[in-house]
Amino acid sequence: QKEVEQNSGPLSVPEGAIASLNCTYSDRGSQSFFWYRQYSGKSPELIMFIYSNGDKEDGRFTAQLNKASQYVSLLIRDSQPSDSATYLCAVRVGGSNYKLTFGKGTLLTVNP
Amino acid sequence: DTEVTQTPKHLVMGMTNKKSLKCEQHMGHRAMYWYKQKAKKPPELMFVYSYEKLSINESVPSRFSPECPNSSLLNLHLHALQPEDSALYLCASSPNDRVISGYTFGSGTRLTVV
Repeated sequence: QKEVEQNSGPLSVPEGAIASLNCTYSDRGSQSFFWYRQYSGKSPELIMFIYSNGDKEDGRFTAQLNKASQYVSLLIRDSQPSDSATYLCAVRVGGSNYKLTFGKGTLLTVNP
Repeated sequence: DTEVTQTPKHLVMGMTNKKSLKCEQHMGHRAMYWYKQKAKKPPELMFVYSYEKLSINESVPSRFSPECPNSSLLNLHLHALQPEDSALYLCASSPNDRVISGYTFGSGTRLTVV
């Protein structure tokens, strides 16, 4: 079974702090990595994707990938209450063109 | 147009009913997907269509029947469902069959089977 693991949380941070969300995956052949945000009762929304080792920044969001450690993370700087949501890590595992395997998600709460 | 549109947004059906979920995108995407998401669980893949042909069926029961009439439309026909099939049904699309930049999800259909 090719798995994607996330700490389910909840992760609670104060407004303005950095939120750090982590994800590990079991398949070394995994090629692309995605972070989705899902508000309660809504559908997932793509925040970022990364497929090369290192950091990728987009506004307040930074995705970090370390393929040797099979680890991908998402940093949210200057966290806002509107960032409160479940964050889903998704991986395109090796040998699968179409399929994304999702982790169970981490619930983030940003306190005003 | 950068949206995936799903209808209806909510559906309540009895176990003997037949109903259909509809998904539409006009982004020129050539891969379309059905996912099922139960409460507090991650989305689970059901079906993949690539270039209007069914390419993946994740061992989904036959009471769920997908259809792709053209490159913009994806349907999911429902028949004789069980209460445990109640979930959020998500349609998604991607530009091609490599999912390099991820899926675009629709807003989902919340299905309740009574």
